[in-house]
Amino acid sequence: KQEVTQIPAALSVPEGENLVLNCSFTDSAIYNLQWFRQDPGKGLTSLLLIQSSQREQTSGRLNASLDKSSGRSTLYIAASQPGDSATYLCAVTYNQGGKLIFGQGTELSVKP
Amino acid sequence: DTGVSQDPRHKITKRGQNVTFRCDPISEHNRLYWYRQTLGQGPEFLTYFQNEAQLEKSRLLSDRFSAERPKGSFSTLEIQRTEQGDSAMYLCASRPQGGDNYGYTFGSGTRLTVV
Repeated sequence: KQEVTQIPAALSVPEGENLVLNCSFTDSAIYNLQWFRQDPGKGLTSLLLIQSSQREQTSGRLNASLDKSSGRSTLYIAASQPGDSATYLCAVTYNQGGKLIFGQGTELSVKP
Repeated sequence: DTGVSQDPRHKITKRGQNVTFRCDPISEHNRLYWYRQTLGQGPEFLTYFQNEAQLEKSRLLSDRFSAERPKGSFSTLEIQRTEQGDSAMYLCASRPQGGDNYGYTFGSGTRLTVV
């Protein structure tokens, strides 16, 4: 069964810390992997998309890495800010245009 | 075009009633997806359209659920004889065909509460 797991389920850090969110997937034959942000009661905002042939993608203070062979991805957030507080979701697809399979998310709280 | 639009934002209904949700994708996106998300969980795939063709349906989509996308534009998701277990956020997403470098764009969702 194709499953995605995110650890930890929740994380609380003081402002300014660098942090890492983890995502693992059981079937390593992914087509691509995407990280999303979700604010409470809202839809999903796409953060980074990594194709299966890529090792990492960067956008501002965010860096996502992909190790396809080990079935893992990490999302690195540098110099965290209270505005980064949200739930972060990892999702994979197994073919072009295919459905997203999501992890359960990591709820991040950044304290001022 | 400001993104994926979903209507209504919130819906409260009594058990046994029928409800219908609407999704308007980004106009040039020919792929449209429906997901369901319960509290504390990641979204789960329900169904997917390419233009007007429904190409995949999840086993989560029971006989009480039906989705359409007439003319390959907007889509509707109908739930008949709602049950309390149907309470969830229903999310719509769209994506262009051949857009390998493009991620999925999600709407803000419709929050359904069945009382």
